[in-house]
Amino acid sequence: QKEVEQNSGPLSVPEGAIASLNCTYSDRGSQSFFWYRQYSGKSPELIMFIYSNGDKEDGRFTAQLNKASQYVSLLIRDSQPSDSATYLCALTNAGGTSYGKLTFGQGTILTVHP
Amino acid sequence: KAGVTQTPRYLIKTRGQQVTLSCSPISGHRSVSWYQQTPGQGLQFLFEYFSETQRNKGNFPGRFSGRQFSNSRSEMNVSTLELGDSALYLCASSLDWTEPYTEAFFGQGTRLTVV
Repeated sequence: QKEVEQNSGPLSVPEGAIASLNCTYSDRGSQSFFWYRQYSGKSPELIMFIYSNGDKEDGRFTAQLNKASQYVSLLIRDSQPSDSATYLCALTNAGGTSYGKLTFGQGTILTVHP
Repeated sequence: KAGVTQTPRYLIKTRGQQVTLSCSPISGHRSVSWYQQTPGQGLQFLFEYFSETQRNKGNFPGRFSGRQFSNSRSEMNVSTLELGDSALYLCASSLDWTEPYTEAFFGQGTRLTVV
């Protein structure tokens, strides 16, 4: 089982719709969870992080975390063509041996069409 | 505030050669992590440095090494290059990782092609 699994995609939504990106993880010791956006040929850009169960909202983005179900998601409201990118779910684990290490999923390609 | 700077942006090397990549973190950040990104394996952690010390290392062969200087700038070196080392190499800058919710910011990466 992969440590971090994302919905395989690609995901295509119309402009103005809600895009839902999902991620499950296997290590219950995982502490913090991150969503990065990566445009083609560019580096990952941090969108949001979450470490407590529940929802966290930032503008059009909402991250949801359920540690009991080992599930984290990202909702993008009012999707725009400029949101078209690969979305990467990442996590950190507890403990000193995890310094500096983000574990990434394979990413979900999102396309927002006009 | 300047972001994370990686140099060079692009490199073409021949099998068997070695290469050195550089990363300057955000001012005040003392932790630098390195990642390899390939289409097949995605983003994989190489190692992390803090205050000139390697604190963590991923599952890569010893041909991959790194160091950090007193100004927090970091370099990674790959010796005896193989075709499979062709990848985008990214560094990430953080204040520290003692907080579990430390944010990591990536540089633009170095695209290495081994021929």
